[in-house]
Amino acid sequence: NAGVMQNPRHLVRRRGQEARLRCSPMKGHSHVYWYRQLPEEGLKFMVYLQKENIIDESGMPKERFSAEFPKEGPSILRIQQVVRGDSAAYFCASSPPGQGHSGANVLTFGAGSRLTVL
Amino acid sequence: AQSVTQLDSQVPVFEEAPVELRCNYSSSVSVYLFWYVQYPNQGLQLLLKYLSGSTLVKGINGFEAEFNKSQTSFHLRKPSVHISDTAEYFCAVRVNTGFQKLVFGTGTRLLVSP
Repeated sequence: NAGVMQNPRHLVRRRGQEARLRCSPMKGHSHVYWYRQLPEEGLKFMVYLQKENIIDESGMPKERFSAEFPKEGPSILRIQQVVRGDSAAYFCASSPPGQGHSGANVLTFGAGSRLTVL
Repeated sequence: AQSVTQLDSQVPVFEEAPVELRCNYSSSVSVYLFWYVQYPNQGLQLLLKYLSGSTLVKGINGFEAEFNKSQTSFHLRKPSVHISDTAEYFCAVRVNTGFQKLVFGTGTRLLVSP
């Protein structure tokens, strides 16, 4: 059973380009979370999605960032017109359905996608 | 709002020595507490979690943590560290009325030397 798969693992973009990060949750998981880790900082929550629904995007920057989790395929975190401050590690995590509020469930994290903006 | 404080950004220790990584949290409601470990260029791996019950929680790789409600602390300990324990350790808190939205501390880098 593969874990949470993220790709690409490393992505280099020039300022103004677009970055697309993909996340395939663990088999059987339908809840996806995106976290961002800036250099020398802890992870910060960005967005929580279920299939075809954004449940909480309170941690997403208001502009240039968007996320989706379609019925088929991976979750996508999209950053338009990237700037140097977007350079970070972006982690995806997943959890099983139906027990999102249960403390018994924990998040399973992927290995992260490291974005470098030149 | 919840917050997590990890006072030590870096903890150097010799192999086979004991270690304690400190974590304090602030929350006005009951919380769930977690410790994650991040090895270089890897994702986060769950070490242990406190949900309820016994305040002493045992995790993987010989780590344990003690939940202290009065001091709002959840310090991580290991009686004898190995070189392979060198990594970044993150404490996190989740409010039990919410979904899996974790608030992380800034991390403590454990450096184990021979």
